[in-house]
Amino acid sequence: KAGVTQTPRYLIKTRGQQVTLSCSPISGHRSVSWYQQTPGQGLQFLFEYFSETQRNKGNFPGRFSGRQFSNSRSEMNVSTLELGDSALYLCASSFLAGGLSEQFFGPGTRLTVL
Amino acid sequence: QKEVEQNSGPLSVPEGAIASLNCTYSDRGSQSFFWYRQYSGKSPELIMSIYSNGDKEDGRFTAQLNKASQYVSLLIRDSQPSDSATYLCAVIEGSTLGRLYFGRGTQLTVWP
Repeated sequence: KAGVTQTPRYLIKTRGQQVTLSCSPISGHRSVSWYQQTPGQGLQFLFEYFSETQRNKGNFPGRFSGRQFSNSRSEMNVSTLELGDSALYLCASSFLAGGLSEQFFGPGTRLTVL
Repeated sequence: QKEVEQNSGPLSVPEGAIASLNCTYSDRGSQSFFWYRQYSGKSPELIMSIYSNGDKEDGRFTAQLNKASQYVSLLIRDSQPSDSATYLCAVIEGSTLGRLYFGRGTQLTVWP
């Protein structure tokens, strides 16, 4: 079974731009969660989607948004990029929502904001 | 504020030794506990999950959970140089289901 895929793997943007990241979960998984990883803050939860509905949201500004499609693929968008948004963005898929099953991470998208 | 604390490390053990990684969590409502391994430049890889008190063994790995003490640990027996990585403890607590809270990780080096 194929794992979680994320595109693109690397992105370089400048301050003020916006970016969209994509995540395709493991086949059959309907829950997708997004995390940000930085050396300073570690791994932090952004949001979780299940059946096209946002179930949970972390403590990030409204510039960070996401959505999920009927095929369970998910996208996250960051608008008005700031230097501090440079990070590894990870998505994780699970069969069930709400932490009732294990979460498996994709390879991540490395975002650099100049 | 939910907190997950891991022993600060870095931890260095010789090949063949037992590596012991520890994690404490602040929320008594926590229900699910996970250990992830992350190699430098890679994404976290799930290696163990544990949901009830006691030990759970999978090959060279043993996870131990004590909910009364709010403590979860990972033992790696017969450590190999390929085990050298950062180990992340993650917890899901009851009121924010689906949200993994991560510790900062413990960097393990296994030297030959």
